[in-house]
Formats: sequence, C-alpha cells, structure tokens
Amino acid sequence: IQMTQSPSSVSASVGDRVTITCRATQGISSRLAWYQQKPGKAPNLLIYGASSLQSGVPPRFSGSASGTDFTLTISSLQPEDFATYYCQQANDFPLTFGGGTKVEIK
Amino acid sequence: QVQLLESGGGVVQPGGSLRLSCAASGFAFSSYGMHWVRQAPGKGLEWVAYIRYDGSVKYYAASVQGRFTISRDNSKNTLNLQMNSLRVEDTAVYHCAKKLPDILTGGFGDYFDHWGQGTLVTVSS
Repeated sequence: IQMTQSPSSVSASVGDRVTITCRATQGISSRLAWYQQKPGKAPNLLIYGASSLQSGVPPRFSGSASGTDFTLTISSLQPEDFATYYCQQANDFPLTFGGGTKVEIK
Repeated sequence: QVQLLESGGGVVQPGGSLRLSCAASGFAFSSYGMHWVRQAPGKGLEWVAYIRYDGSVKYYAASVQGRFTISRDNSKNTLNLQMNSLRVEDTAVYHCAKKLPDILTGGFGDYFDHWGQGTLVTVSS
C-alpha cells in the first residue's frame, strides 16, 4: 500500500490553520497514524485510527478520514509545531509511510 | 516511563554484518509487539521489521527480507536486529519502536507509540 502525502512542504505563520493530506492506494479501514518529527529526534505519535488523539497530544491536532483520503489539521499553529509530519498506514504489512510534510515558518 | 535504547550501530563495509540491540524498560516488554524503523540521512521513514510479543510472528520489508533477522529475548527485555549482506542503501538511523497497546486499537492496526532515539548504521567502503 502506497501512501501519498501532500504538500511536501508548507510555509505558515503562528496561529494559522494547517492541513496536510495523505492518500492510500487502497482501503485501509481508517488504520492510519500521524507522527511529528523534529530535527535529530525520534518521531512522536499524534493521531492513530485516523482520528484518535494520542495521550498528551494537544487538542489543536485533529485527524479525519474520507475513504482512502486522510487529513491532519493543526487548528492554530504554535511555535513548537514547526516540524515534519508523516502519515503511516497501519492496516497491513508491510507498514508504509507517506513521504512527509515539512511545516516551515513563513 | 517507557525507555528504548538502541546500540550496535557503526561503520561497516558493503557485504558486512552488524547486530543492533534495543534495551527496553518501563513497560511489560514481553506483552508488546516491537518494530524496527529506519531513516536514511535526509530522507523519510521506512518500516523494517516486526516481531510479535512472543516472537512467534515476524514480518519484514521486502528491501531487507532474507538479509535481516529480528529477534527478542523477553527474559532480558531486549530486541535485536541481525543485519547481514549490508548494502550502501541500508545506511540509516535505526529506531526500535513499541507497538501501541491493542486495548486502544481493538487489536487492529500497528502503530508506534514509543521510539528509541536511534543508532546510526553507515555502510561504506
């Protein structure tokens, strides 16, 4: 299963609403995760099951699904949110990731 | 708290071997599936291998199938990755990662809720 993530990068300002999309090449039953990764650090799980917020993750992060299309939304971008975000399908092996979206400061 | 600490990385020539380990603490290691995920320098994430909590089921990425072997020692809370016939394209930071508990997913889906900081493997002549 291939995961196509877009955009590959986005420039935004603090307070902006940011949306990242991921599309699967086949149905994955909403078994999708979103991760945040900062430079030199391990990824951090934000969302699982397409829309379930991982414990400790701020509620400004949300996820949604429509068929094979998935969306991560950051409702009001904070300084600590500038990072790279990855989607991951968790439905079947081999597990696969999207190519990543770098959220940069405008 | 959950801690995962990888070791064993280094520089190796193409065709060589390396064994990575991941020391786990802060959770019931023997109750959770575990994964290896790698990231080539400046690139995205690539899942490598999975092992069930009891070691009875293993899956591999096609890119490492037949060359890498995942194993675990539940008595020592340790996850391992034996890497043979290494290639230049295996150069990456290798992370071990814990599977998100089934109680949160209904047993469906493999997500990574804790990651180690990784160990760098460089394959170069």
